[in-house]
Amino acid sequence: AQKITQTQPGMFVQEKEAVTLDCTYDTSDQSYGLFWYKQPSSGEMIFLIYQGSYDEQNATEGRYSLNFQKARKSANLVISASQLGDSAMYFCAMRAGSARQLTFGSGTQLTVLP
Amino acid sequence: KAGVTQTPRYLIKTRGQQVTLSCSPISGHRSVSWYQQTPGQGLQFLFEYFSETQRNKGNFPGRFSGRQFSNSRSEMNVSTLELGDSALYLCASSRTDLTYNEQFFGPGTRLTVL
Repeated sequence: AQKITQTQPGMFVQEKEAVTLDCTYDTSDQSYGLFWYKQPSSGEMIFLIYQGSYDEQNATEGRYSLNFQKARKSANLVISASQLGDSAMYFCAMRAGSARQLTFGSGTQLTVLP
Repeated sequence: KAGVTQTPRYLIKTRGQQVTLSCSPISGHRSVSWYQQTPGQGLQFLFEYFSETQRNKGNFPGRFSGRQFSNSRSEMNVSTLELGDSALYLCASSRTDLTYNEQFFGPGTRLTVL
């Protein structure tokens, strides 16, 4: 079974500063993918970034980067230069082995302060 | 390229009724997954379809069913609605069912059961 843990229910960050959202995962599969999604209050889940278990380099997409530490089973999301529009719920998710569905964490509500 | 579309966006039903939700995936995507999101249970996987075949099903009662058509459009049906079925229902599509394929979500259908 797969499990995703997000221990920060809520986070605050000052505009233009960087913020790290924590995510740890548990799986016995060697092949897996880790995803981060952003969910604004409108409800739509927006795909941000992906990291494969065999990828040697940390994934980056614009202001988003994923700090992947395989031995620690962590996949933290780093948002640089936070903007007011980054205020949203952020979900870490995993797809592992033969499982076809995404397993989600409980999410972190990020608030960017002006 | 058009994103994932879901109709209707909002629904209000009463207990005992049934409901059908529709999802049109991104053009060229063959895999469609459905998730239920509630404040108490978070995001839970309902089922996944690939090339008109249900490949995986989550831990939901038989009142929840779905299907996929030859054009990859998918519908999910909930019969004999209960108050606890009130949720945001999210549909996601991906090009294949492989681990590394990102899942792109639609805006969701918000179902309220009275």
